[in-house]
Amino acid sequence: DADVTQTPRNRITKTGKRIMLECSQTKGHDRMYWYRQDPGLGLRLIYYSFDVKDINKGEISDGYSVSRQAQAKFSLSLESAIPNQTALYFCATSDPGFLREGYNEQFFGPGTRLTVL
Amino acid sequence: GNSVTQMEGPVTLSEEAFLTINCTYTATGYPSLFWYVQYPGEGLQLLLKATKADDKGSNKGFEATYRKETTSFHLEKGSVQVSDSAVYFCALSDKNTGNQFYFGTGTSLTVIP
Repeated sequence: DADVTQTPRNRITKTGKRIMLECSQTKGHDRMYWYRQDPGLGLRLIYYSFDVKDINKGEISDGYSVSRQAQAKFSLSLESAIPNQTALYFCATSDPGFLREGYNEQFFGPGTRLTVL
Repeated sequence: GNSVTQMEGPVTLSEEAFLTINCTYTATGYPSLFWYVQYPGEGLQLLLKATKADDKGSNKGFEATYRKETTSFHLEKGSVQVSDSAVYFCALSDKNTGNQFYFGTGTSLTVIP
């Protein structure tokens, strides 16, 4: 089984609808992240969470909100979807224990392809 | 601030050709550097990493050397295969900015038989 899972894998919705993307992990990592990927722009950080009570905005948080329900679950919501939120969304995890080894590493889910019409 | 600039694609090579994908970075501190690979329809996977200057990361025939003097981390492979077709992302993680990751824009590689 995959260590980082995302649901749904694909979603088509209409402008103005509320959408929730879910991420679950079995890696036991404290840190979780949401990114969006757009052609030619690479990955951009939306929100990140270092533990259940610690949530932080990333580079492009406007129009998004998150919820860290448990160590293993981190959800991304679009309160009122708009077409320019059409993108591929990735969840990732990391473990601060890596920092003792002198580096950080992130582990990615398979992605959710969201289309807003 | 931190940023990563990588060679624009797409790149198309014949099987067994030599591959270089350029990556340069700007960082406020002493970052760790990474190459991630994204195969079609999948998430990103770590390909290789280097945590300090002059380190060489290697995996699956790919190599990259952390060059502090030129702030570069170029990805190379001596003989590419069709199965190497993917998008490659250069990234850095900087302790000075909470170990957040900064990704390049990605380089699409297609290897033809």
